[in-house]
Amino acid sequence: DAGITQSPRHKVTETGTPVTLRCHQTENHRYMYWYRQDPGHGLRLIHYSYGVKDTDKGEVSDGYSVSRSKTEDFLLTLESATSSQTSVYFCAISEAWTRQETQYFGPGTRLLVL
Amino acid sequence: AQTVTQSQPEMSVQEAETVTLSCTYDTSESDYYLFWYKQPPSRQMILVIRQEAYKQQNATENRFSVNFQKAAKSFSLKISDSQLGDAAMYFCAYRDPGGTSYGKLTFGQGTILTVHP
Repeated sequence: DAGITQSPRHKVTETGTPVTLRCHQTENHRYMYWYRQDPGHGLRLIHYSYGVKDTDKGEVSDGYSVSRSKTEDFLLTLESATSSQTSVYFCAISEAWTRQETQYFGPGTRLLVL
Repeated sequence: AQTVTQSQPEMSVQEAETVTLSCTYDTSESDYYLFWYKQPPSRQMILVIRQEAYKQQNATENRFSVNFQKAAKSFSLKISDSQLGDAAMYFCAYRDPGGTSYGKLTFGQGTILTVHP
């Protein structure tokens, strides 16, 4: 299994509070991704990173920001959490977007915004 | 933008039988990649099988095989000799070959597979 951890694994927070989710990898992979999973929508890309300090928006980036100051860590921040951000969040990593490369996923973080 | 559609929210199969999960996608690209991921109750995303669009031969991994119809933009997953451990949510996913896509995946809505003993 790819060395990917996410923290926290579960979090309950209140509307309007900031929340930061952490993804940590031990594979030294260049590419990292944050997805959210919601019933009826599958997984949707929030933000991704293609190198240290290189990030870009995905399909559902509103209300989220990211940072990557080290290869191994990719942080997802909800500046002011809303109930619509209640979801399961997955981090994924990829060595390169070449023909043979595959994304590997972390265990997920379940976030409940009350 | 690419879209991926899984029209079967739920499927069920008897143990040892065969089941096919459907997936269609929309793209203007000629070269791309398709994947099936399995998500058991543990929520871990597990890669089941991958298909490269430029390869005409359908991918196979043990009891899992795909029926890739490029012209129809269809990518179905066949599970043979179904086992109780196959019960999970299955996601179809699409990926562009490179360039500005940076390996991003587009997922379908998922199909819940139940296996009856």
